[in-house]
Amino acid sequence: GVTQSPTHLIKTRGQQVTLRCSSQSGHNTVSWYQQALGQGPQFIFQYYREEENGRGNFPPRFSGLQFPNDSSELNVNALELDDSALYLCASSAGGTGETQYFGPGTRLLVL
Amino acid sequence: QKEVEQDPGPLSVPEGAIVSLNCTYSNSAFQYFMWYRQYSRKGPELLMYTYSSGNKEDGRFTAQVDKSSKYISLFIRDSQPSDSATYLCAMKVAGNQFYFGTGTSLTVIP
Repeated sequence: GVTQSPTHLIKTRGQQVTLRCSSQSGHNTVSWYQQALGQGPQFIFQYYREEENGRGNFPPRFSGLQFPNDSSELNVNALELDDSALYLCASSAGGTGETQYFGPGTRLLVL
Repeated sequence: QKEVEQDPGPLSVPEGAIVSLNCTYSNSAFQYFMWYRQYSRKGPELLMYTYSSGNKEDGRFTAQVDKSSKYISLFIRDSQPSDSATYLCAMKVAGNQFYFGTGTSLTVIP
């Protein structure tokens, strides 16, 4: 299945953070979401074959990478208190993402 | 106005009841419609997806889409305590952008 690391993270405002995701075997598409407490996931972006192929309404300080082995990173610079959330990674096959499978998430707390 | 509206509940039903979960949307460009189940402290789990108006059935679950009314539903028959979770509707437009509802919290009482 989809795995994410770390499970929990505490950072201070202004710092930078990198979250990691390993896709399900055979999946070449990865999407990242931010889920605040009590809210639905908010789409950050999607990567397919190492290129960004969809982006939600997030500022440029949210950036990502997808590697040849289909693992992925989410980087957030200049952390703000409102960035505290559960960050979810989802993988799928084929570049579209309708049938995507989520990892357990990384819970980020910004102090 | 949010792109996707979903009643957060909470919804509480007795075991064996039929559950109806609903979402409305405003963007007629939505092409794909999905339902996820999320247990506490877990990632969402895909239940069903569809891209056309009408009904799609999978076991105890039926997804219904009415594009003319911009309304989607998920029905759960013979509900079980293990169905207690938050249910999220999600939609996708061309260009690979996804929009989720806020989720409906469901409790099935034994």
